Amino acid sequence: EVQLVQSGAEVKKPGESLKISCKGSGYSFTSYWIGWVRQMPGKGLEWMGIIYPGDSDTRYSPSFQGQVTISADKSISTAYLQWSSLKASDTAMYYCARHGTISDPWGQGTLVTVSS
Amino acid sequence: DIQMTQSPSSLSASVGDRVTITCQASQDISNYLNWYQQKPGKAPKLLIYDASNLETGVPSRFSGSGSGTDFTFTISSLQPEDIATYYCQQYDNLPTLTFGGGTKVEIK
Repeated sequence: EVQLVQSGAEVKKPGESLKISCKGSGYSFTSYWIGWVRQMPGKGLEWMGIIYPGDSDTRYSPSFQGQVTISADKSISTAYLQWSSLKASDTAMYYCARHGTISDPWGQGTLVTVSS
Repeated sequence: DIQMTQSPSSLSASVGDRVTITCQASQDISNYLNWYQQKPGKAPKLLIYDASNLETGVPSRFSGSGSGTDFTFTISSLQPEDIATYYCQQYDNLPTLTFGGGTKVEIK
């Protein structure tokens, strides 16, 4: 079964750093793009960026360029989304998904809460 | 960047009604458009790919049409289990993607 499993919920303070993960299984992890999508409370889906684990080619939405870092470790079939200094406005659900001409499968989501 | 304008942002309809959602691209994207359904607390689920193709296992009351810049998603007979938010997604300039703003569908 092709699946993506994300790391658990996080509660952080403003200014702290964070790295969340997305582990792929059941397919060739290095052969498909993996992307990240933000969903703020009660809001829509926002595409953040994407990485090709085979060669680490990474692209960002202009809205998220410089705000987050996307990386991958192909040796353990895991992609990451990282913040160096969280803000309250980063509070959201974050989904990873395997992206091609369709986005499928999706991870179960990681809820990030940033509060003082 | 390609922008996707989805409308309406929300709608309320009765069980059995025909529901239509539109998505407009800021430039020609051919048929490079998908539709997803998201239920509360769940990840999005693919319903329609390449503008008009029904994903395996998805009920036939769901359909999509369009090409170029204008696309339509239809539920032919709304059912209670269809309560969700629906999103269009363009993939004309892979690997970058864009989602529409979403349409929340409720039962009247």
